[in-house]
Amino acid sequence: GAVVSQHPSWVICKSGTSVKIECRSLDFQATTMFWYRQFPKQSLMLMATSNEGSKATYEQGVEKDKFLINHASLTLSTLTVTSAHPEDSSFYICSARVATSGPTDTQYFGPGTRLTVL
Amino acid sequence: GQQLNQSPQSMFIQEGEDVSMNCTSSSIFNTWLWYKQDPGEGPVLLIALYKAGELTSNGRLTAQFGITRKDSFLNISASIPSDVGIYFCAGQLFTGNQFYFGTGTSLTVIP
Repeated sequence: GAVVSQHPSWVICKSGTSVKIECRSLDFQATTMFWYRQFPKQSLMLMATSNEGSKATYEQGVEKDKFLINHASLTLSTLTVTSAHPEDSSFYICSARVATSGPTDTQYFGPGTRLTVL
Repeated sequence: GQQLNQSPQSMFIQEGEDVSMNCTSSSIFNTWLWYKQDPGEGPVLLIALYKAGELTSNGRLTAQFGITRKDSFLNISASIPSDVGIYFCAGQLFTGNQFYFGTGTSLTVIP
């Protein structure tokens, strides 16, 4: 299957600082990537849809100024958590959409980034 | 967003037993995906379903796309300890390209 990488795999930062997380599709081009947040023992919560070359679409309740998303190329999307606070501590996972000419849409996930804000 | 109800929420089974879990929705979906997630890792795609009634296998795993398009189920036969993890279903509507996730089923296999 398609491979998606994420960097860093874990990060610890001080409150008030900004953290950038990268999501890369390694062996395919992804016009659409998704960013999720996951709390312990809970399901994945979609934060935003990232489209290459255009602005991201944020889910209701997600602050676009706090979670900056940039999808500058077909293989890279970045999520920047600005002015991070302890409540932003979570597991952040990206995924890349793979679509063909037929109805075979699917998505592959990165390994996730564990963010801890002190 | 769409609500996908997944059941059971958790399962504790003996090694060698078969497992069955399902996912239901009030909406009609175009695609169903099943994922497995290990602690601290991203979900890994197990099976993808694209047609109503479709039955697809991947080793000991079998999944079906419900005829009504509102449900899907996943079966695991002859469970082994490495099957332990959280299983998620995900559905995609005919409109839009995002997937909506179920609440997850936590599987524990007792050796």
